[in-house]
Amino acid sequence: GAVVSQHPSWVICKSGTSVKIECRSLDFQATTMFWYRQFPKQSLMLMATSNEGSKATYEQGVEKDKFLINHASLTLSTLTVTSAHPEDSSFYICSAREGANSYNEQFFGPGTRLTVL
Amino acid sequence: AQSVAQPEDQVNVAEGNPLTVKCTYSVSGNPYLFWYVQYPNRGLQFLLKYITGDNLVKGSYGFEAEFNKSQTSFHLKKPSALVSDSALYFCAVKKAAGNKLTFGGGTRVLVKP
Repeated sequence: GAVVSQHPSWVICKSGTSVKIECRSLDFQATTMFWYRQFPKQSLMLMATSNEGSKATYEQGVEKDKFLINHASLTLSTLTVTSAHPEDSSFYICSAREGANSYNEQFFGPGTRLTVL
Repeated sequence: AQSVAQPEDQVNVAEGNPLTVKCTYSVSGNPYLFWYVQYPNRGLQFLLKYITGDNLVKGSYGFEAEFNKSQTSFHLKKPSALVSDSALYFCAVKKAAGNKLTFGGGTRVLVKP
């Protein structure tokens, strides 16, 4: 099956610093990539959707200036958490979808655990 | 707005017994429905999906799900559960025309030997 990787798998940073998380589709081209946030014992909440070469579409309530998303190629999307604060500590998960058909399933990365001190 | 309900936080089943994980959804228009499984320290893995056609969908690892439009349900089933099926299962829905995938709260399955 299709493989999506994330790097790093975990990161600890100081409050006020920025953290970049990478999401890569390893064996397919991802026209669309998605970023989710998962709180402990809760479901995944979609943060934003990005298409290669265009600006990301953010969900209501997600600050686009705080969570910068770049989808520069068909295999790489990055999420940068700017000026991180303890409340940004969470499990961030990306997914990727091959092709333009919206019925294609998303393939998920293993997630990145961010802890902001 | 679209939503998914997984009414059971946890399902316990003995190995070899049938397994059912319930899911109901709400979405305008035709739904696309998905089941994913999450093992500890691993990403969500795709199990199966319903797009159109036969209401009974067969997926990976012996799982199947039945789409019931009148009951707006998409329950996941496996005839004979294995201990290795113990994991967290998520049901998800999206509009046919749209990108956003909405997940249910997840159901933890524990299969006991």
